[in-house]
Amino acid sequence: RKEVEQDPGPFNVPEGATVAFNCTYSNSASQSFFWYRQDCRKEPKLLMSVYSSGNEDGRFTAQLNRASQYISLLIRDSKLSDSATYLCVVRYQKVTFGTGTKLQVIP
Amino acid sequence: DAGVIQSPRHEVTEMGQEVTLRCKPISGHDYLFWYRQTMMRGLELLIYFNNNVPIDDSGMPEDRFSAKMPNASFSTLKIQPSEPRDSAVYFCASSLGGLAGGSYEQYFGPGTRLTVT
Repeated sequence: RKEVEQDPGPFNVPEGATVAFNCTYSNSASQSFFWYRQDCRKEPKLLMSVYSSGNEDGRFTAQLNRASQYISLLIRDSKLSDSATYLCVVRYQKVTFGTGTKLQVIP
Repeated sequence: DAGVIQSPRHEVTEMGQEVTLRCKPISGHDYLFWYRQTMMRGLELLIYFNNNVPIDDSGMPEDRFSAKMPNASFSTLKIQPSEPRDSAVYFCASSLGGLAGGSYEQYFGPGTRLTVT
């Protein structure tokens, strides 16, 4: 089993839709969790950290489920500019990036 | 403020040649990371440094790869000899604090797109 697994997608959603991605991790001792965003042919950039109590930043909500060992990212009211690949990051002693979920928001 | 700087941005070389990738981290950051990204394997951590000291190089694929950080503002990743399967985008990233705590946001450079023919 991979350390960090994501559905590669693509997720094709219309503007204004709500979309959610999950990311599963194998090491129950994992300590920190993050979502990064990567635009096509660009470098990854931190989108948000994921806290145990869940956290929200505008249209974005991240949640952690330790019992089932997954984190999620919810995007409300999708914009065309949200089109990107979303990378899940899990840290235990060192960081591991997921291979990413591609989101395409359609007009 | 300047972000992480990498050079070259693109490199095309022939199999067997030596390739050197360069990175200047953000001033004041004490962690530096080298990653490789391919479609098949995603983003893989190759090696990281803390205060210029290599901490974990378990991700370095083989002896053909080596990395150095002679000072706080410069690091190199060298591949010798290069092979076609090394073709990928190589990212350098830096952070203030890292595995020991602190803010763990990693700032990535624009990457070096390497093609080995």
